[in-house]
Amino acid sequence: EADIYQTPRYLVIGTGKKITLECSQTMGHDKMYWYQQDPGMELHLIHYSYGVNSTEKGDLSSESTVSRIRTEHFPLTLESARPSHTSQYLCASSEQGVYGYTFGSGTRLTVV
Amino acid sequence: QKEVEQNSGPLSVPEGAIASLNCTYSDRGSQSFFWYRQYSGKSPELIMSIYSNGDKEDGRFTAQLNKASQYVSLLIRDSQPSDSATYLCAVIPPGNTPLVFGKGTRLSVIA
Repeated sequence: EADIYQTPRYLVIGTGKKITLECSQTMGHDKMYWYQQDPGMELHLIHYSYGVNSTEKGDLSSESTVSRIRTEHFPLTLESARPSHTSQYLCASSEQGVYGYTFGSGTRLTVV
Repeated sequence: QKEVEQNSGPLSVPEGAIASLNCTYSDRGSQSFFWYRQYSGKSPELIMSIYSNGDKEDGRFTAQLNKASQYVSLLIRDSQPSDSATYLCAVIPPGNTPLVFGKGTRLSVIA
């Protein structure tokens, strides 16, 4: 079944650690996105990609990096986790054109 | 600045009533409009898309678009307690840019 997968679902990590959040999709979508969302709050775009070797920064990109080496895979890396990074991270993908996004189940990150 | 505005709510409606959710957008050239439903602690789920002026119906949901007024709405008929969630309006602005999301309206359907 075509879908979008995020791992891990939950992660508790210490301050200063480097972490990578994984996102993969089997729908063949060219466009992929990372959002950050605190409970009850709005979505903030972190990074997006419109294809292999193409990445762009969103509103909250300064403390993270992404890569897009394969169409189906779009990992997000925090080089040095801080308590302010505690949040839910949502990955999404879409087809080329003006279509809506499909979201993954999210990764809930807690930095202690 | 591309903006999508929604009333944050909460909007409370009794079970069986019609819930009306509204959204305005700032960029007149916007071309595609979406409604997402997000349950607490879950990820957003696409429930409606609309691309041209008028109404689009899907089951109990009707999306309405008025580009002249830069206004999008979502009507939920026969509201159920399971419809209680936050509803996000999203718009694709002109150019090859990502969706712009509103902050969402929290809907509570009272049994």
